Amino acid sequence: GAVVSQHPSWVICKSGTSVKIECRSLDFQATTMFWYRQFPKQSLMLMATSNEGSKATYEQGVEKDKFLINHASLTLSTLTVTSAHPEDSSFYICSASFNREFRDTQYFGPGTRLTVL
Amino acid sequence: TQLLEQSPQFLSIQEGENLTVYCNSSSVFSSLQWYRQEPGEGPVLLVTVVTGGEVKKLKRLTFQFGDARKDSSLHITAAQTGDTGLYLCAGGSQGNLIFGKGTKLSVKP
Repeated sequence: GAVVSQHPSWVICKSGTSVKIECRSLDFQATTMFWYRQFPKQSLMLMATSNEGSKATYEQGVEKDKFLINHASLTLSTLTVTSAHPEDSSFYICSASFNREFRDTQYFGPGTRLTVL
Repeated sequence: TQLLEQSPQFLSIQEGENLTVYCNSSSVFSSLQWYRQEPGEGPVLLVTVVTGGEVKKLKRLTFQFGDARKDSSLHITAAQTGDTGLYLCAGGSQGNLIFGKGTKLSVKP
């Protein structure tokens, strides 16, 4: 149980284009979903937290207009990287929690490798 | 700023050996998670510990949460090549997770 999927698993795009990444909880309803970014040989850095039906909470230094997050249902959250640039190239990973009172236990998706040319 | 320090950063051992990796902080966490991450994949949850002093066992893996909830350890008995991977600890803080940089374990046959 507690399976989270991401799509696509990898994407290559040209500088200036937008890319949408989907995160789905397959066998549970996710009250909260999280988006992380991981650069090579570094740990996961939280970008934003989203609850279904409400606006995402962004971490300091993360541009909300550049990284658009939509959490339209209890099983789907999307991250759109707008006007992507090479420095946005990274491994983007989502996670989901099904316990609103205890969000610490998070189940992670397989990640999406974004390369911006 | 809350930080989690993991040690060692790298560990290379022979199959059959025992090992312990550590996760330390000066901050108190509401919980401590251990994950294993393979290259190019997302982290896979191994365990969550919540109570200070708590010990959990998962087959050959033993996890301990420090009494003060500031540190944790992961002990692997009789390591196997399949244990190779990046082990990440993550502390729960105000509903979010703070990740350590990980311990890269390599188990050689």
